[in-house]
Amino acid sequence: ETGVTQTPRHLVMGMTNKKSLKCEQHLGHNAMYWYKQSAKKPLELMFVYSLEERVENNSVPSRFSPECPNSSHLFLHLHTLQPEDSALYLCASSQDLYEGFYGYTFGSGTRLTVV
Amino acid sequence: GNSVTQMEGPVTLSEEAFLTINCTYTATGYPSLFWYVQYPGEGLQLLLKATKADDKGSNKGFEATYRKETTSFHLEKGSVQVSDSAVYFCALSESDAGKSTFGDGTTLTVKP
Repeated sequence: ETGVTQTPRHLVMGMTNKKSLKCEQHLGHNAMYWYKQSAKKPLELMFVYSLEERVENNSVPSRFSPECPNSSHLFLHLHTLQPEDSALYLCASSQDLYEGFYGYTFGSGTRLTVV
Repeated sequence: GNSVTQMEGPVTLSEEAFLTINCTYTATGYPSLFWYVQYPGEGLQLLLKATKADDKGSNKGFEATYRKETTSFHLEKGSVQVSDSAVYFCALSESDAGKSTFGDGTTLTVKP
């Protein structure tokens, strides 16, 4: 597989559920990112990992918990979410942190609906 | 801090019309500049880039020139197609400053 793969593509969950989003890249990239894209709002950077270490956490509520077990995989664990957390969650990777030459490679996203 | 400002959408054009989407930026150093495109139901895809002043990025008929004097990176295409309908994002990265910033996106709709 090439590129960045996100699963599932769609997820509907209740406010008391626990679920996880998965992101996988086999591009040999060293940095991975979680973004939240809500309707009529700018892209929000949530978490940044470089070489499996978290380097940025942009005031994200604790009901979102990231995990990066190795340089190819990134997870976003979700629990007790709110309806306003419904959004498209995008994973991205780059050769190096904040890659300034090749840019980012994005996955297709997980469309999350909290009911 | 860094910022990217794009022209507000939505932009609606007829097929074969000329497209310009304006993008200006503020940065503390010497960023690389990017345009990404997001088709319906998909993630963002890198469309083109420029890494230094006066560079021109081009891809699929789209072009943008890195203008340091006006801090701009406007996206242009001479003749748009219905398949170009998407959301376009301007972005900058300063890897040595640890910063990457995206604009708010501009929605383009091309009608036959």
